[in-house]
Amino acid sequence: DTGVSQNPRHKITKRGQNVTFRCDPISEHNRLYWYRQTLGQGPEFLTYFQNEAQLEKSRLLSDRFSAERPKGSFSTLEIQRTEQGDSAMYLCASSRDRSNQPQHFGDGTRLSIL
Amino acid sequence: GENVEQHPSTLSVQEGDSAVIKCTYSDSASNYFPWYKQELGKRPQLIIDIRSNVGEKKDQRIAVTLNKTAKHFSLHITETQPEDSAVYFCAASGGNNAGNMLTFGGGTRLMVKP
Repeated sequence: DTGVSQNPRHKITKRGQNVTFRCDPISEHNRLYWYRQTLGQGPEFLTYFQNEAQLEKSRLLSDRFSAERPKGSFSTLEIQRTEQGDSAMYLCASSRDRSNQPQHFGDGTRLSIL
Repeated sequence: GENVEQHPSTLSVQEGDSAVIKCTYSDSASNYFPWYKQELGKRPQLIIDIRSNVGEKKDQRIAVTLNKTAKHFSLHITETQPEDSAVYFCAASGGNNAGNMLTFGGGTRLMVKP
């Protein structure tokens, strides 16, 4: 069990640029979640995959956000035309494919928009 | 949707004292309640969880209690140590939420003074 891995750890970009983050879940976990955490707040749910299927998206996920999990293993989260308000920590978590299984988080990608 | 409230937002205790953090939830169908510890700049780390079919769970110095009727649950840390200093988040999921996405409380910053 190597844990959930996220890359990059930090991303600094100019407003209006596109960014992409990657998450590698724990290998036997079929469920993968993306959350966003701003300073001093708890993580907020963005989207969820079961294998390669994206089954749920939060209202927080605007049209500028897109997530994929093409082969049911790693996932990418892309933000197009970044805005100041996108600055946050983007966390990925994974769990086994059964009800109410513990979600294990990665270290996150901290996005800073200049 | 689910709403989770967490209190207090900050808690300062002397080493060796006990600490209690309380959370309330709104969705009576929620049935899974994990607690996470997050140190500065690090990933949320699952420390204990409880499912709605039990009222209490203990793991060494950490215990969680659940009152389904009142829709609240609490984290109890006994014999606190300086390394317990961190931000603690409660969360809730399950019920009508088929994907088991977590809804987090706002966090409690625990400071243990040596």
